[in-house]
Amino acid sequence: QVHLVQSGGEVRKPGASVKVSCKASGYTFTTYRITWVRQAPGQGLEWMGSISAYNGHTTYAQNLQGRVTLTTDTSTSTAHMELRGLTSDDTAVYYCARIVPGYCAGSRCYGDWVDPWGQGTLVTVSS
Amino acid sequence: DIQMTQSPSSVSASVGDRVTLTCRASQSISGYVNWYQQKPGRAPELLIFATSTLQSGVPSRFIGSGSGTEFTLTISSLLPEDFATYYCQQTYSTPRFGQGTRLEIK
Repeated sequence: QVHLVQSGGEVRKPGASVKVSCKASGYTFTTYRITWVRQAPGQGLEWMGSISAYNGHTTYAQNLQGRVTLTTDTSTSTAHMELRGLTSDDTAVYYCARIVPGYCAGSRCYGDWVDPWGQGTLVTVSS
Repeated sequence: DIQMTQSPSSVSASVGDRVTLTCRASQSISGYVNWYQQKPGRAPELLIFATSTLQSGVPSRFIGSGSGTEFTLTISSLLPEDFATYYCQQTYSTPRFGQGTRLEIK
């Protein structure tokens, strides 16, 4: 069974950095991309970016470009998300998830979807 | 960026009711829509992918449909465990989620 297990909650001061890990099991890690999504308290889901576990290719949300770095360690089947220059607006639960690639059936094509999700990591930014 | 707008933002319904949630895209996205269910304190879970395909283990009372810019998630007969927040997601371009619809017990 496919599982993504994330590291524990973190507390940081404004201006600091945080690194969250996401260990995958139950599938060939390098076959899929990993995405990171965050959710501020009481708010919706915000896509942060994605990384190919095969070649390390990354795509980042424009509003986080320059502050976030996604990496993978294929030797341990672990993905990492580092966020720098933290502010109180970065207080959120951070999720990793596996991207399942879309497909085409006949003349119709369908995009990627996300499954499963990690359990989430609460990052609190407070002075 | 393609925006996704869900309506209503919240809805109250009773066990046994049929409820339809809507997700509108700011431009045509073909069938590139997925739906997720999130319960309080839990990670989201995939319900439906590729507009209408149920994820393994998801009951058939969940029905996804739509194309172009308008998509719906219908729950044909609500059970107590269905009360949660539902998010649509487009993966036609840079992935983006709708703001969510909170389904509450009346």
